[in-house]
Amino acid sequence: AQSVTQLGSHVSVSEGALVLLRCNYSSSVPPYLFWYVQYPNQGLQLLLKYTSAATLVKGINGFEAEFKKSETSFHLTKPSAHMSDAAEYFCAVTAVTGGGNKLTFGTGTQLKVEL
Amino acid sequence: DTGVSQNPRHKITKRGQNVTFRCDPISEHNRLYWYRQTLGQGPEFLTYFQNEAQLEKSRLLSDRFSAERPKGSFSTLEIQRTEQGDSAMYLCASSLVTGYTSTNEKLFFGSGTQLSVL
Repeated sequence: AQSVTQLGSHVSVSEGALVLLRCNYSSSVPPYLFWYVQYPNQGLQLLLKYTSAATLVKGINGFEAEFKKSETSFHLTKPSAHMSDAAEYFCAVTAVTGGGNKLTFGTGTQLKVEL
Repeated sequence: DTGVSQNPRHKITKRGQNVTFRCDPISEHNRLYWYRQTLGQGPEFLTYFQNEAQLEKSRLLSDRFSAERPKGSFSTLEIQRTEQGDSAMYLCASSLVTGYTSTNEKLFFGSGTQLSVL
């Protein structure tokens, strides 16, 4: 069984400040980990994914995440927040051993960016 | 690439009625997924298709739910005898997978159908 826990349902940062969204995972097999972003009235969009290659993963829009097995974490960061980053962010995990890519999502973190 | 299209965007129905949603995947995508998202929660996997074959169904998918993907193109999700607990956003995603493993699979999500059961 797999699960992810996102710490903080709401995070607020100032424009230009560091963004840190936390995700911890639980998996009985080596996990594949993802971060998705959801803007209002839009579908989920993939930001980045970890699939057992480099532990530091760079994604779109300046986001990156680091896979830390010892901490079972996959936190999402961005050095400088922009107003356009305001959205809901979901961490997800799957075990890709064949067959479908059945993602297990966290409960999401709503990011607010203030002037 | 026109994206994954879902219709309708919103559906309001009375308890006990049947509803059907449609998903049009990105052209030539061979996999199609259905997820459900309730308020304050992340999406939950319901079922997926590889071409026209329904390969897996979640335990969340009760007997009142049925999904089809005739001819491996668009898909429909039908809920019979709706209950208030069915109120949720129903998301569809599609992907193109070559081979058996999904290592490089990328899911493209639609904007969803918001169902409200009164």
